[in-house]
Amino acid sequence: QSVLTQPPSASGTPGQRVTISCSGRYSNIGSNTVSWYQQVPGTAPKLLIYTNNQRPSGVPARFSGSKSGTSASLAISGLQSADEADYYCAAWDDSLNGYVFGTGTKVTVL
Amino acid sequence: EVQVVESGGGLVQPGGSLTLSCAASGFTFSDYWMHWVRQGPGKGLVWVSRINRHGDNTYYADSVKGRFTISRDNAKNTLYLHMNSLRAEDAAVYYCARESSSSLAIDYWGQGTLVTVSS
Repeated sequence: QSVLTQPPSASGTPGQRVTISCSGRYSNIGSNTVSWYQQVPGTAPKLLIYTNNQRPSGVPARFSGSKSGTSASLAISGLQSADEADYYCAAWDDSLNGYVFGTGTKVTVL
Repeated sequence: EVQVVESGGGLVQPGGSLTLSCAASGFTFSDYWMHWVRQGPGKGLVWVSRINRHGDNTYYADSVKGRFTISRDNAKNTLYLHMNSLRAEDAAVYYCARESSSSLAIDYWGQGTLVTVSS
């Protein structure tokens, strides 16, 4: 079972801004950096955000990440139909001595 | 182009064993930590294991500790996952993944190999 909690779903109309939360604890988000991954069903995950708020080359600036204390969030602005996917947060957990993923959030574009 | 390609998945009986392989190309394999991540049918991502560059430091999820072994052969640019005492709950797509050199993030993923555990 995941130790990082995300809302199961989020939705918006094209052009809107959607925010996804990721709640953890001191041993993971509170002590380590957060990454975010996008997974279109049937395909492999893709890195969207690393080190809390950094975007790999090729990831649009519409995607942004932030972290505060033991929580993190991913924002998608200017929502597009191509953004329909599952999104996962992740961080190293010092207590578990392992990498932990969030429960995942399915984003739907209405 | 960075590529990691998994192989070795298939059908195995409960209690059986299986070894997954991951062939890496397009980067200096020995410079990177590597991971295995799995995803059960209709489920979320679950981290399985991590190995350092030299192969002498490994980490495991509690659910697989003592049953799975991660290893690597840097001369062959290949990552392995040896799985023993397989259970129905181990059935999943297993992804081989590269850890970024600058942060603890997974920057490249393979397409996955399917492991089915059933009698």
